[in-house]
Amino acid sequence: AQKVTQAQTEISVVEKEDVTLDCVYETRDTTYYLFWYKQPPSGELVFLIRRNSFDEQNEISGRYSWNFQKSTSSFNFTITASQVVDSAVYFCALSEENYGGSQGNLIFGKGTKLSVKP
Amino acid sequence: DSGVTQTPKHLITATGQRVTLRCSPRSGDLSVYWYQQSLDQGLQFLIHYYNGEERAKGNILERFSAQQFPDLHSELNLSSLELGDSALYFCASRGTGGADTQYFGPGTRLTVL
Repeated sequence: AQKVTQAQTEISVVEKEDVTLDCVYETRDTTYYLFWYKQPPSGELVFLIRRNSFDEQNEISGRYSWNFQKSTSSFNFTITASQVVDSAVYFCALSEENYGGSQGNLIFGKGTKLSVKP
Repeated sequence: DSGVTQTPKHLITATGQRVTLRCSPRSGDLSVYWYQQSLDQGLQFLIHYYNGEERAKGNILERFSAQQFPDLHSELNLSSLELGDSALYFCASRGTGGADTQYFGPGTRLTVL
């Protein structure tokens, strides 16, 4: 079955702390995609990163980094030196692709609410 | 700005009523997905249209329907509304590549009183 688990419901840190958001997924497919989206208090869903199942390279973008490990079915997200503007709900999502890209709906985790205090 | 537009931003209506939510995808995107975000169910996939054709259904109630028009905009119709239909409804569009990312509109917040 397809499933995304974000075990951390809420995390609170003080500014400049590093924080890691956990994501564990389940899928039957060998080809799939993993995503992180950010939902700030204003409510929109902002795309952060996409990873395909064949690319286990870790990625760093500024203060953000992602660690993808197929062996543990995890796709964790780390924010280094957190800032107040990072306060948001973060969603991990899974997409199982068919050839032709005609499907690919997202299966979301429940989200992790991150609060960064000054 | 994702390039996906949704109207209206907010909608307040009464039980038993019918509403239509509208979504315009990013220029060139053929796929439109609809999602519902509620406190108890989280973010759930409702339905997917590709170039005017329905391609997949998720947890969409029979009271809900959608369509995608020749200009690629999509509408989600919700009828016989119940209190539990109060939620944030998102549409997302995706490019034609098999692995393209879904970009979300700002959402429509529906309140059923």
